[in-house]
Amino acid sequence: AQSVTQLDSQVPVFEEAPVELRCNYSSSVSVYLFWYVQYPNQGLQLLLKYLSGSTLVKGINGFEAEFNKSQTSFHLRKPSVHISDTAEYFCAVRISNFGNEKLTFGTGTRLTIIP
Amino acid sequence: EAGVAQSPRYKIIEKRQSVAFWCNPISGHATLYWYQQILGQGPKLLIQFQNNGVVDDSQLPKDRFSAERLKGVDSTLKIQPAKLEDSAVYLCASSSLRAGRNTEAFFGQGTRLTVV
Repeated sequence: AQSVTQLDSQVPVFEEAPVELRCNYSSSVSVYLFWYVQYPNQGLQLLLKYLSGSTLVKGINGFEAEFNKSQTSFHLRKPSVHISDTAEYFCAVRISNFGNEKLTFGTGTRLTIIP
Repeated sequence: EAGVAQSPRYKIIEKRQSVAFWCNPISGHATLYWYQQILGQGPKLLIQFQNNGVVDDSQLPKDRFSAERLKGVDSTLKIQPAKLEDSAVYLCASSSLRAGRNTEAFFGQGTRLTVV
């Protein structure tokens, strides 16, 4: 079975400071990894994805994430946050199981930017 | 390109009533998902269609929830009868198939259901 763990439910950060949102996954097979952002009263928007190749993935809004297979992690980072980054962030993993591709989400991390 | 459309955006019903949600995926997307997102939790997959066939409905409470995707395009999700614990945001998403694999999922804005 696959699962996704987001270790921090809430992360407060001062504006222009760096931030890291942690994500760990468990799966016995190869995975595809995603980070989505959800602004209030909105659906989920894709920030970035790891499918294969370079383990450092760059996404929109200045975010990046690094896939670490040995630590089964896919942490999200941004060197300098802005007020507009205040949102809920979800890590997700997708595996293929006998042709069925299931996308499983973590419980989310609420990022609050402090002016 | 139009995104995933969902309606209604908000719905308030009394317990034991029935409700239906509608989703129109991105044109050409073969895979359609319905997720339930309870406040403070991550989205939970209820049902996944590929074209008009069900791929995964293992977490769908089949005694009260049903979903269909006629002609492999639009989809409706129904709850009958609703319970208080069904209060949540219902998200629809779609993705395309390339070389037999799903691309990333694109989400609609969701329907916020409140059961009172």
